[in-house]
Amino acid sequence: DGGITQSPKYLFRKEGQNVTLSCEQNLNHDAMYWYRQDPGQGLRLIYYSQIVNDFQKGDIAEGYSVSREKKESFPLTVTSAQKNPTAFYLCASSIGTAGTQPQHFGDGTRLSIL
Amino acid sequence: GEDVEQSLFLSVREGDSSVINCTYTDSSSTYLYWYKQEPGAGLQLLTYIFSNMDMKQDQRLTVLLNKKDKHLSLRIADTQTGDSAIYFCAETEGGSYIPTFGRGTSLIVHP
Repeated sequence: DGGITQSPKYLFRKEGQNVTLSCEQNLNHDAMYWYRQDPGQGLRLIYYSQIVNDFQKGDIAEGYSVSREKKESFPLTVTSAQKNPTAFYLCASSIGTAGTQPQHFGDGTRLSIL
Repeated sequence: GEDVEQSLFLSVREGDSSVINCTYTDSSSTYLYWYKQEPGAGLQLLTYIFSNMDMKQDQRLTVLLNKKDKHLSLRIADTQTGDSAIYFCAETEGGSYIPTFGRGTSLIVHP
């Protein structure tokens, strides 16, 4: 079955450490996204990518970085510059850039500070 | 900019109907979506409606759109405990494919 796989499910970060969250999709989708979810705040867009080797900042990109070297993969790095990284991170994809295409989501990674 | 508003909580009795409401501000909204999120999981698309439609029904789910008032609702008939989750309303405007999400409504179903 096609879908989006996020790993790990739980991740712990030490002070000053960079950590990378994995997102892989086998849906043959062109567009991929990263969201941060905090309780009561809904979803906030961190980065998104329409095609391979191209990505754009979302609303809260500071302290995060991404790469899109392959269509299937869109890893997110939470850098030490992100001072409040504790949150639930969701990866999503959509077929393309037409407005009719709903997003499909992975099951998320919960990041906590040690 | 665009904004999507939802009430934060809704409590219903098992077997009753649930109505989750959403308002949006963007008059050029093209597509409106309802997603469901169960604890510790990602968002699951439930249904979506084009802005030129007034209603869409899919089994126990009914979506109503009032374009004049920019109001969207999701009705769940015969609500079950398995329907307990957070429900997100989202919209995309004409030229954009990136949805704007509401903050989510927590639906609590009690016996």
